[in-house]
Amino acid sequence: QVQLRESAPGQVKPSQTLSLTCTVSGGSISSSAYCWGWLRQPPGKGLEWIGSFCSSGSTYYNPSLKSRVTISVDTSQNQLSLKLSSVTAADTAVYYCAKDAWGYGMDVWGQGTTVTVSS
Amino acid sequence: EIVLTQSPGTLSLSPGERATLSCRASQSVSSSYLAWYQQKPGQAPRLLIYGASSRATGIPGRFSGSGSGTDFTLTISRLEPEDFAVYYCQQYGSSLLTFGGGTKVEIK
Repeated sequence: QVQLRESAPGQVKPSQTLSLTCTVSGGSISSSAYCWGWLRQPPGKGLEWIGSFCSSGSTYYNPSLKSRVTISVDTSQNQLSLKLSSVTAADTAVYYCAKDAWGYGMDVWGQGTTVTVSS
Repeated sequence: EIVLTQSPGTLSLSPGERATLSCRASQSVSSSYLAWYQQKPGQAPRLLIYGASSRATGIPGRFSGSGSGTDFTLTISRLEPEDFAVYYCQQYGSSLLTFGGGTKVEIK
């Protein structure tokens, strides 16, 4: 079955760009049936959707983050990537990638990777 | 943007009791694109319900979802020890996805 694993950058300095990758195994990221999303969860808080890349070719972003976010796919590596620019302490969170049958729920999640923004 | 409000914030119940969790949307959720997730400490969320009332693969029958429009409910018929967790509702709007703030189900 499909499994997801996020990379682990750990710590990022304020104003820098956070870069994460999510490696998909057990299935193709090019599958037209799915979208692939990034989400995050600040310490002790709820879930926030960052954005999703859909294999139909569309990419959707949370309007509150859109100006700083880029989500893309490397089909040769079967990877999803996230870039979040100009980070601040408010971007400290556990970041998840997830497989999303858009409209029908996110049924596979990575284990999550903790990113701390600190100088 | 559709805002989802979950209530109560915390539900204190005993094993074997029935849990009823509410999720209210600020606007009608189209075609019941409403999902529920369970999250335990240190773990990723787990999909329980999609389409407002369809159980995801492998989810026990004690979990059920209902509702339409702006009012949705997750019911756990008889709480098992492993059901004490935080539950989130989530909706798909037009190119935008939002989560509720969560309901924590704790042991009384």
